Amino acid sequence: GAGVSQSPRYKVAKRGQDVALRCDPISGHVSLFWYQQALGQGPEFLTYFQNEAQLDKSGLPSDRFFAERPEGSVSTLKIQRTQQEDSAVYLCASSVLERGMNTEAFFGQGTRLTVV
Amino acid sequence: AQTVTQSQPEMSVQEAETVTLSCTYDTSESDYYLFWYKQPPSRQMILVIRQEAYKQQNATENRFSVNFQKAAKSFSLKISDSQLGDAAMYFCAYRSAIGTYKYIFGTGTRLKVLA
Repeated sequence: GAGVSQSPRYKVAKRGQDVALRCDPISGHVSLFWYQQALGQGPEFLTYFQNEAQLDKSGLPSDRFFAERPEGSVSTLKIQRTQQEDSAVYLCASSVLERGMNTEAFFGQGTRLTVV
Repeated sequence: AQTVTQSQPEMSVQEAETVTLSCTYDTSESDYYLFWYKQPPSRQMILVIRQEAYKQQNATENRFSVNFQKAAKSFSLKISDSQLGDAAMYFCAYRSAIGTYKYIFGTGTRLKVLA
């Protein structure tokens, strides 16, 4: 596609509900990142995929957060039993690997999650 | 661990004037990249400019330029001839040259452009 696409743009969840956020990276981009951006803050790293392999999940805040990219393209970030502190914008980014190096990351418009 | 600090929560500039946004960072690595991203209300992060740490020459992209001081670990963004469309949140970001290449962002500076 022309850019990184995320859906839904907005999601309201009741506390305790499970949610799934989708990211469609730029076609051919090997690397995919998820970030969490709380209100008034900069994005914080959650997890990183290279193709279908999740190489770094050090930023996932708890075991309620789970991400997958089964075929190396579309990725889903799942949050189980949502809590109010999960309210944030979730950004997805993708990039190309050139000679083993990640190039510039292209970001989607994010999903704003509000837990009520 | 690396950190990025933006000490100016908000800045204002008159249209057509010049403004400088500050950023400092901390790292023990010698090879890394620095970025400035713009985030308008649409929330999409847009790359403004990037700097490779091994390059001494400051990066320039049209009206945007940086002052990269490696020893001082400082990376400021200068916007010349400010335009109304420059109004946005600006984030400074650090990325290691090794590992997973995740970005570490500062807390951002909100830039207002006054007509």
